Amino acid sequence: GAVVSQHPSWVICKSGTSVKIECRSLDFQATTMFWYRQFPKQSLMLMATSNEGSKATYEQGVEKDKFLINHASLTLSTLTVTSAHPEDSSFYICSARKGHGRTEAFFGQGTRLTVV
Amino acid sequence: KNEVEQSPQNLTAQEGEFITINCSYSVGISALHWLQQHPGGGIVSLFMLSSGKKKHGRLIATINIQEKHSSLHITASHPRDSAVYICAPVSGGGADGLTFGKGTHLIIQP
Repeated sequence: GAVVSQHPSWVICKSGTSVKIECRSLDFQATTMFWYRQFPKQSLMLMATSNEGSKATYEQGVEKDKFLINHASLTLSTLTVTSAHPEDSSFYICSARKGHGRTEAFFGQGTRLTVV
Repeated sequence: KNEVEQSPQNLTAQEGEFITINCSYSVGISALHWLQQHPGGGIVSLFMLSSGKKKHGRLIATINIQEKHSSLHITASHPRDSAVYICAPVSGGGADGLTFGKGTHLIIQP
């Protein structure tokens, strides 16, 4: 299978600061990556689609100015949580697919964000 | 919208037991993922299948597209199999095409 690496695996930050999370496809190129958020005992919820070389597409209810996504290369997408608040504390995870279409999805290890 | 139901929600079994987790969905799909989420949160894709059966080690996944049903089986279960197992049908809806089940929390006791 393919490898998707996410960093950091956990982070604690103060309210009002920004946190950047990286998602890398290590052995394949991904024109599209997806960012999810998961609250305790809940399903994964799609936040946004990260498109290489163009703007991200956000799901309804997700603030694009708060969750900045950059997909500068075919192997790296970043999610920046700006002006973090305690309610942003959650588990964030990315996924990527090889090729185009509904091929198999590969997930990163996830990032546990705690805002204090 | 694809409604995904997994059963059981929670399962505790003894080491060595044969485990079955079921997934049913409401909308026709092209394929289905079975995912494993470890206690730390990381997710591993176990299978993506669109018909019949796939086997990998002690894991077997089956799908019946007409019946809108899939099962994940674990043979000779081991404590290290303890995790949350999530089925995620691939359908046309949503940017990623995935609808996630709520997961089955499996605990294998030694």
